[in-house]
Amino acid sequence: KAGVTQTPRYLIKTRGQQVTLSCSPISGHRSVSWYQQTPGQGLQFLFEYFSETQRNKGNFPGRFSGRQFSNSRSEMNVSTLELGDSALYLCASSLTRGLAGANEQFFGPGTRLTVL
Amino acid sequence: EDQVTQSPEALRLQEGESSSLNCSYTVSGLRGLFWYRQDPGKGPEFLFTLYSAGEEKEKERLKATLTKKESFLHITAPKPEDSATYLCAVTNDYKLSFGAGTTVTVRA
Repeated sequence: KAGVTQTPRYLIKTRGQQVTLSCSPISGHRSVSWYQQTPGQGLQFLFEYFSETQRNKGNFPGRFSGRQFSNSRSEMNVSTLELGDSALYLCASSLTRGLAGANEQFFGPGTRLTVL
Repeated sequence: EDQVTQSPEALRLQEGESSSLNCSYTVSGLRGLFWYRQDPGKGPEFLFTLYSAGEEKEKERLKATLTKKESFLHITAPKPEDSATYLCAVTNDYKLSFGAGTTVTVRA
């Protein structure tokens, strides 16, 4: 069974640009969550999508947004990039709601975003 | 505010030297506590979910336990391939909060 896939794996952008990251969950999984990982802040929750609806959101500015498609694939968008947005962006999928009921989440390899 | 604190930050072990990692937490309405393993440049790999105090789970050389305020991850007779960063996270249905992790290095 294929795992969670994320594209692209590496990305370099400049300040002010916008970026879109993609996540394909494990087949049959309906929930996708996004996380930002940095050396200083560790892993931080961005948002969770289930059945094409955002269910929960972390403490990030509105520049961070996402969406989920009917096939459960998800995209995350960051507009007006700042230097501090440089991070590893991880997505995780789970069979049902990832957070409600403490269901297991399976992580992808991440997209390494560098903002210059 | 939900808080997850892991200790120690780093742990260096000789092969075969058993040890424990600690994860203390404060969260309202705990639904579950997770342990993950993360290798450099990779996403976290799921290890265990614990739901209630007193629960224990084992997998190979790893054993996770949960009390009302903390969780322990015991590594028995570790091997070099157990070297990784071990992450603890808690969920209350609304968000998943991670600790900073414990980086374990096992020397042969």
